[in-house]
Amino acid sequence: GENVEQHPSTLSVQEGDSAVIKCTYSDSASNYFPWYKQELGKGPQLIIDIRSNVGEKKDQRIAVTLNKTAKHFSLHITETQPEDSAVYFCAASPISGGYNKLIFGAGTRLAVHP
Amino acid sequence: SQTIHQWPATLVQPVGSPLSLECTVEGTSNPNLYWYRQAAGRGLQLLFYSVGIGQISSEVPQNLSASRPQDRQFILSSKKLLLSDSGFYLCARTLRLAGDNEQFFGPGTRLTVL
Repeated sequence: GENVEQHPSTLSVQEGDSAVIKCTYSDSASNYFPWYKQELGKGPQLIIDIRSNVGEKKDQRIAVTLNKTAKHFSLHITETQPEDSAVYFCAASPISGGYNKLIFGAGTRLAVHP
Repeated sequence: SQTIHQWPATLVQPVGSPLSLECTVEGTSNPNLYWYRQAAGRGLQLLFYSVGIGQISSEVPQNLSASRPQDRQFILSSKKLLLSDSGFYLCARTLRLAGDNEQFFGPGTRLTVL
């Protein structure tokens, strides 16, 4: 079955620096790759996603890139701010059963220091 | 509105006691619904999903069960809780539109089994 690996598990940056989180997936048929931000004690919030027919997508300070050949996708946050501190999860959606299953990475705890 | 409600927000239960967690969603009818569990500091594990009333699929064998008595209601239950059932339980939905994989999460229920 699909497996998603996420690195690093923790990331510490200074305010204003960039942060990059990387994920790899195993099922080459996966076609949808969302990223979620989870603040302490809350449910994950979808922040950006990308589908397999595009290589890059940007929304203000966040961007996601997808390399289908290498089965990699990455989250890029520029000009980080303290409120970006949270746990970030990547996920991949294999084509399976028609119920939109998501396989999640283990998460990255991002700390942005003022 | 595609709001997801979860009740209760927190719960402390003794080992061996029963459990009932409720998820209700607003908005588009006939959504796909999901139950996830998140252990402390860990990723999200899919427990159950439902594509319609009375239709439940289990992803992992466990001490829990799920039911969907109404289109917008998804319930997670147990007859006898174990210590290992402690965690953060999240309900999620997709809109069941063609090609729509986007999953949105509720606020979660934190369960502590003592």
